[in-house]
Amino acid sequence: KAGVTQTPRYLIKTRGQQVTLSCSPISGHRSVSWYQQTPGQGLQFLFEYFSETQRNKGNFPGRFSGRQFSNSRSEMNVSTLELGDSALYLCASSLAFNSPLHFGNGTRLTVT
Amino acid sequence: DAKTTQPTSMDCAEGRAANLPCNHSTISGNEYVYWYRQIHSQGPQYIIHGLKNNETNEMASLIITEDRKSSTLILPHATLRDTAVYYCIVRVDRGSTLGRLYFGRGTQLTVWP
Repeated sequence: KAGVTQTPRYLIKTRGQQVTLSCSPISGHRSVSWYQQTPGQGLQFLFEYFSETQRNKGNFPGRFSGRQFSNSRSEMNVSTLELGDSALYLCASSLAFNSPLHFGNGTRLTVT
Repeated sequence: DAKTTQPTSMDCAEGRAANLPCNHSTISGNEYVYWYRQIHSQGPQYIIHGLKNNETNEMASLIITEDRKSSTLILPHATLRDTAVYYCIVRVDRGSTLGRLYFGRGTQLTVWP
């Protein structure tokens, strides 16, 4: 079974631009979560989607948004990029309650 | 969710058992203990989880103390590929927190030849 797939793997953007990252969960998984990882803050939860609805949101500004499609694929968008948004963005999917999260290998975003 | 405490770093000789401790003294009755690891530049990888009984799978064993205030992840025969940051997480498995994990700083395990 294919794992969680994130595209693109690397991305370079300029301050002020916006970016969209994509995540395809493991087949059959309906929960998709997004995390940001930086050297200073570690792994931080962004938001979670289940059946196209956002169920949980972390402490990030409104510039960070996401959505989930009917096939469970998810996208996250960051608008008006700042230098501090440079990070590894990780997507994870889960099957059900008491099921572990399975992570993709992330998208490395660099903002210049 | 309960907070966990792990040593910042540990090392282990290749072929020996690696025992990674985790304290979770404020864990509540319905919180599970999960272990993940992250190899450099990859996403975290699920290893094992448990509630109160010891668990074993093809990757590792999880030993949870009777009072559930601490646990130990055991890699029985560490290899160089086990060099990674290991995260111990406690998590309530209810719907609203299905995808939300609180990662601390973890333990950097270095396996040397």
